[in-house]
Amino acid sequence: GENVEQHPSTLSVQEGDSAVIKCTYSDSASNYFPWYKQELGKGPQLIIDIRSNVGEKKDQRIAVTLNKTAKHFSLHITETQPEDSAVYFCAAASGGGADGLTFGKGTHLIIQP
Amino acid sequence: KAGVTQTPRYLIKTRGQQVTLSCSPISGHRSVSWYQQTPGQGLQFLFEYFSETQRNKGNFPGRFSGRQFSNSRSEMNVSTLELGDSALYLCASSAGQGARNEQFFGPGTRLTVL
Repeated sequence: GENVEQHPSTLSVQEGDSAVIKCTYSDSASNYFPWYKQELGKGPQLIIDIRSNVGEKKDQRIAVTLNKTAKHFSLHITETQPEDSAVYFCAAASGGGADGLTFGKGTHLIIQP
Repeated sequence: KAGVTQTPRYLIKTRGQQVTLSCSPISGHRSVSWYQQTPGQGLQFLFEYFSETQRNKGNFPGRFSGRQFSNSRSEMNVSTLELGDSALYLCASSAGQGARNEQFFGPGTRLTVL
């Protein structure tokens, strides 16, 4: 089945700086890659996603890039703010989407004031 | 539009008991998927229901089961609870079948097994 690796597990950045979280996947048939933000006591919130026919997607301060050849995708957050502090998960859908989403282990993003 | 709701939010059970969790999807969504979240294993897919039928299943024992009603609401049941079943159980709502559709998560049910 699919395997998703996510790095780093913890990331601390100064407010206003950029943050980058990286994920790799194993199944070349995967073609949908969402990113989720989870705050304490809440469920994961979909923040951005990308499909394999697109190399990059941007939504205000958040962007995602996908390299199908290398099988990795990344989340970029610019001009970080205190409310960006949370745990971020990458995920991949493979097997025709029949196996559910396979998630990375998460990155705890800490924004230092 | 209201989001995904899950009840109850917290539950405490003892080993050997069974438990039923409920999920109401976003209005108009016909797919409900269930995930288990633990510190050690992270987020893992349990199963997906679409149009009242289980479409996909993850690698969990038969003690974990579910169903979906005609109004798309779904329930998940865990029988003969074990200590290792302590987790946050999340349901995700989607307009279409399969993980390649956008999935929106509820707040989860925190299950503690003593």
